[in-house]
Amino acid sequence: QTVVTQEPSFSVSPGGTVTLTCGLNSGSVSTNHLPSWYQQTPGQAPRMLIYLTNGRPSGVPDRFSGSILGDRAALTITGAQADDESDYYCVLYMDYGIKAFGGGTKLTVL
Amino acid sequence: DVKLLESGGGLVQPGGSLRLSCAASGFTFNNFDMSWVRQAPGKGLEWVSTVSFNGDSIVYADSVKGRFTISRDNSKNTLYLQMNSLRADDTALYYCAKDSAAATRAFEYWGQGALVTVSS
Repeated sequence: QTVVTQEPSFSVSPGGTVTLTCGLNSGSVSTNHLPSWYQQTPGQAPRMLIYLTNGRPSGVPDRFSGSILGDRAALTITGAQADDESDYYCVLYMDYGIKAFGGGTKLTVL
Repeated sequence: DVKLLESGGGLVQPGGSLRLSCAASGFTFNNFDMSWVRQAPGKGLEWVSTVSFNGDSIVYADSVKGRFTISRDNSKNTLYLQMNSLRADDTALYYCAKDSAAATRAFEYWGQGALVTVSS
């Protein structure tokens, strides 16, 4: 069974840069998986940050960027702010139209 | 503005059924795929199902296949999720999501969710 993996937790200092990753338990992540990223704060619905690996919807600050790093998809936050403290999820598009979420990364800004 | 409003959640006994609805507005509903995503209490997000813009293509997660049915009524701008044979591990907040353009396969907009509790 394919499992999408993410770091369970990460911390970053205010103003710092952090890269969260999204991998597969078997195989590499590529642009063919159409990686997307979501931010969720407690009690709120998720919000799309990145689509198609590195596309950024209007309204999403440019301090959020997406890429492929090695065999993983990556979300980089540059100049982290206090309100970036959230849970972050990646989604990969798999065979036969299946979409798979990673387990999420809890980001602490301190 | 895009708005997605889920309804139909509630408490149901194991083995029971429930139908969720999602009323959509602010966009041309019949141009976009729609999805359901759920989140168990204190847990991560789980994709449940996606229906294509015209209802011709439907995909389910293995965890709900054979028990849940997704559908849409484009004349009413409404998405549905019929849930049968409910189990305790189906307890979750169920989000309706508008997919972005077909090639992106991403969840562009989300509703606020409908809570489903399966318990005796």
